[in-house]
Amino acid sequence: QKEVEQDPGPLSVPEGAIVSLNCTYSNSAFQYFMWYRQYSRKGPELLMYTYSSGNKEDGRFTAQVDKSSKYISLFIRDSQPSDSATYLCAMSANTNAGKSTFGDGTTLTVKP
Amino acid sequence: SAVISQKPSRDICQRGTSLTIQCQVDSQVTMMFWYRQQPGQSLTLIATANQGSEATYESGFVIDKFPISRPNLTFSTLTVSNMSPEDSSIYLCSVIDRTQETQYFGPGTRLLVL
Repeated sequence: QKEVEQDPGPLSVPEGAIVSLNCTYSNSAFQYFMWYRQYSRKGPELLMYTYSSGNKEDGRFTAQVDKSSKYISLFIRDSQPSDSATYLCAMSANTNAGKSTFGDGTTLTVKP
Repeated sequence: SAVISQKPSRDICQRGTSLTIQCQVDSQVTMMFWYRQQPGQSLTLIATANQGSEATYESGFVIDKFPISRPNLTFSTLTVSNMSPEDSSIYLCSVIDRTQETQYFGPGTRLLVL
């Protein structure tokens, strides 16, 4: 069983929709949670970083962490065609971000 | 932030040959990482490269297959040796910032082994 399971997708939504991307994990030691966005033929770029249960908001993006359920989500409000990308969740047990465990990614397409 | 460049951006290689991938960062960083991203799969950490010491390899990866150099704080190379079609993948260089909270990735090297 993988330590991190990510909803596989792909997802296709109309412009303006609310998008929910989800990951579950099995390792209770994970304390730091990240979401990355990866455009085609590019490396992943960090979108959100959080280390506590609850919600963290940044513009149209909200990261939600539920440590009791070992479940994290990324919500995108008012989705735009420019949000079309693969989204990767990642988590680590310590502050060394380089040792993160990644999900397989969910590919999102936002149609105009 | 850190800006990372990789060379080559892509290559097609014959089995049995080796390819060296270069990673250049625009600032000095202590830790550099090499990942592999196979189609439809998650990023897998190959090794951590620290300047002045041997690279630390993750389970399933060995130095003979993936030798790494780290001659200074802004540069590293990963060699994929004696390649087989199973090595076809995207190879990504990565660094973390001084707070060790933010991870940056290069654009990747797309490798196809025939």
